[in-house]
Amino acid sequence: QVQLQESGPGLVKPSQTLSLTCTVSGGSVSSGSYYWSWIRQPAGKGLEWIGRIYSSGSTNYNPSLKSRVTISVDTSKNQFSLKLSSVTAADTAVYYCARRLGGTYFFDYWGQGTLVTVSS
Amino acid sequence: QSVLTQPPSVSGAPGQRVTISCTGSSSNIGAGYDVHWYQQLPGTAPKLLMYANSNRPSGVPDRFSGSKSGTSASLAITGLQAEDEADYYCQSYDSSLSWVFGGGTKLTVL
Repeated sequence: QVQLQESGPGLVKPSQTLSLTCTVSGGSVSSGSYYWSWIRQPAGKGLEWIGRIYSSGSTNYNPSLKSRVTISVDTSKNQFSLKLSSVTAADTAVYYCARRLGGTYFFDYWGQGTLVTVSS
Repeated sequence: QSVLTQPPSVSGAPGQRVTISCTGSSSNIGAGYDVHWYQQLPGTAPKLLMYANSNRPSGVPDRFSGSKSGTSASLAITGLQAEDEADYYCQSYDSSLSWVFGGGTKLTVL
């Protein structure tokens, strides 16, 4: 059974960079079959796809966040990471990592989510 | 505002049938991309409920069904149960924006 677990600071100051890591167990980020995404959800609001990475390192980002987002993969640790720069209060949200099988367009496994608050 | 439009809330009594709509546009649902649905229980991560419009993952009761037509899709729940009370999100792919979600619908079981 695949499990994803987000980790990182729960509090980030405005204008700084938010950094999160997703650790995958029961599966491999090196698998050529899957894409690995970050998705966020502000309190009481809907879901927003942030971006995704493939095992090769190729990435695709939400156009609305593209200028501030970097997603990377560390196959040796079976992890992938999110960096979001120049954060503001609007970036306060629960951040989820999720898996998508290549050739499909849905997310079949999700992490439990981690709350990141942007505040001074 | 979300790319896909859902009603903010729906409700029904136990045993009844409810439907949740999801309306998109010609760049996502209307372009032929499938619609997927997620169930989010309070305080938990979204869980895949329906994929490719009308397919249930293993373990999802057949009380849940989905359909798609034109630029819209629907999720139907029959024989409503208290445990169905949750937020439901539709999701599709948009040719210009990549993966997009609805704003979510809160289902209340009366």
